[in-house]
Amino acid sequence: AQTVTQSQPEMSVQEAETVTLSCTYDTSESDYYLFWYKQPPSRQMILVIRQEAYKQQNATENRFSVNFQKAAKSFSLKISDSQLGDAAMYFCAYRRHQAGTALIFGKGTTLSVSS
Amino acid sequence: KAGVTQTPRYLIKTRGQQVTLSCSPISGHRSVSWYQQTPGQGLQFLFEYFSETQRNKGNFPGRFSGRQFSNSRSEMNVSTLELGDSALYLCASSSLPVGEGTQYFGPGTRLTVL
Repeated sequence: AQTVTQSQPEMSVQEAETVTLSCTYDTSESDYYLFWYKQPPSRQMILVIRQEAYKQQNATENRFSVNFQKAAKSFSLKISDSQLGDAAMYFCAYRRHQAGTALIFGKGTTLSVSS
Repeated sequence: KAGVTQTPRYLIKTRGQQVTLSCSPISGHRSVSWYQQTPGQGLQFLFEYFSETQRNKGNFPGRFSGRQFSNSRSEMNVSTLELGDSALYLCASSSLPVGEGTQYFGPGTRLTVL
């Protein structure tokens, strides 16, 4: 069975600084997707970034980028120039490349941002 | 495009009652998934529907059921509510083609069972 592990329950960063959130996963599949979702206090789950396993290039979305290490089954999220609005719970998630399959989530990392 | 909508946003029920939650996916999305979020268990998959057919089901008791209508709107039903059913229920939709893989979530329904 696939599993997703986020080893940092809480992280903190100062405004304008950079922070990296860690995620590891376990799978025997070769084709899959990885995601980072953000859940602010409003509880709305927002997609931050996604990575296809077959792509070597790391995904980037503005201030958010990932370090995808397929062999090591590692998928970390880097947030640059942190802003107060980045404060939220961040979930790493895995999904097989097959229709109908479920997202498997990690337990989440709570990120706090201070001014 | 409008996002995924869920109704109601908040619900309070008592043990033994049943409840129905509704989800309207993003226009054009034909796949709808449901997740339960609790502090103890985190996010757990309930089921996924596509074109009115349940394609996948998580490890939940039969009290949890769902359906999807021809317009892709989905409902989930929980019968004989238990205290442990108190949770945030999230609905997510995704589009074809098969394997596109990205699910977009609604704001959730907060269910409290007393």
